[in-house]
Amino acid sequence: DVQMTQSPSSLSASVGDRVTITCRASQSISNYLNWYQQKPGKAPKLLIYAASSLQSGVPSRFTGSGSGTDFTLTISSLQPEDFAAYYCQQSYSTRYTFGLGTKLEIK
Amino acid sequence: EVQLVESGGGMVQPGGSLRISCAASGFTFSTYSMNWVRQAPGKGLEWVSYITSTSRTINYADSVKGRFTISRDNANNSLYLQMNSLRAEDTAVYYCARDEGQQLPRNYYYYMDVWGKGTTVTVSS
Repeated sequence: DVQMTQSPSSLSASVGDRVTITCRASQSISNYLNWYQQKPGKAPKLLIYAASSLQSGVPSRFTGSGSGTDFTLTISSLQPEDFAAYYCQQSYSTRYTFGLGTKLEIK
Repeated sequence: EVQLVESGGGMVQPGGSLRISCAASGFTFSTYSMNWVRQAPGKGLEWVSYITSTSRTINYADSVKGRFTISRDNANNSLYLQMNSLRAEDTAVYYCARDEGQQLPRNYYYYMDVWGKGTTVTVSS
């Protein structure tokens, strides 16, 4: 199975900051990489698919990039509602796998 | 409104069995692949199982293979997960999620675009 490694596992930032979360695959997955946001007690929400395509309704401050094994999720200017957990997920194989997550907290 | 609603969670003893369900509405369920994803208390997301629209292809995570069985009833817009030989480490919120695909210039891409609110399974004596 493809293993996904996310970093950092947690991150403290302030409103207005630019933050980047990294995800690395154990083998090349082309751009079969999705990003999700999850708030406490809620279901995950799709943000980005195919590494860089923004899901409908998601603010443009979220951008994804990367291909092969290395991927990033960038939030250009943090808003109060962005403090949440973020997960990457590979869809290269239908034996899907998620990264362990990044918890984004208010500084 | 596109919606997924899980049900059937509860408390069960180690070694026991439970079947959870997911009712779909607002879209043509029979044309979509579906997934189960779980989240243990305080932990991250773990993909559990996948089933294609016709049930022709089914995949499981190694952690549940041989113990869990995914199935679907397209006539009743329902997805199921039969869980046997349950262990304490199966304690989690279980989500069903729709598998959507989109054709982009170079390839076809898949992602989980609709999620239910989850049902809680607790395995404890």
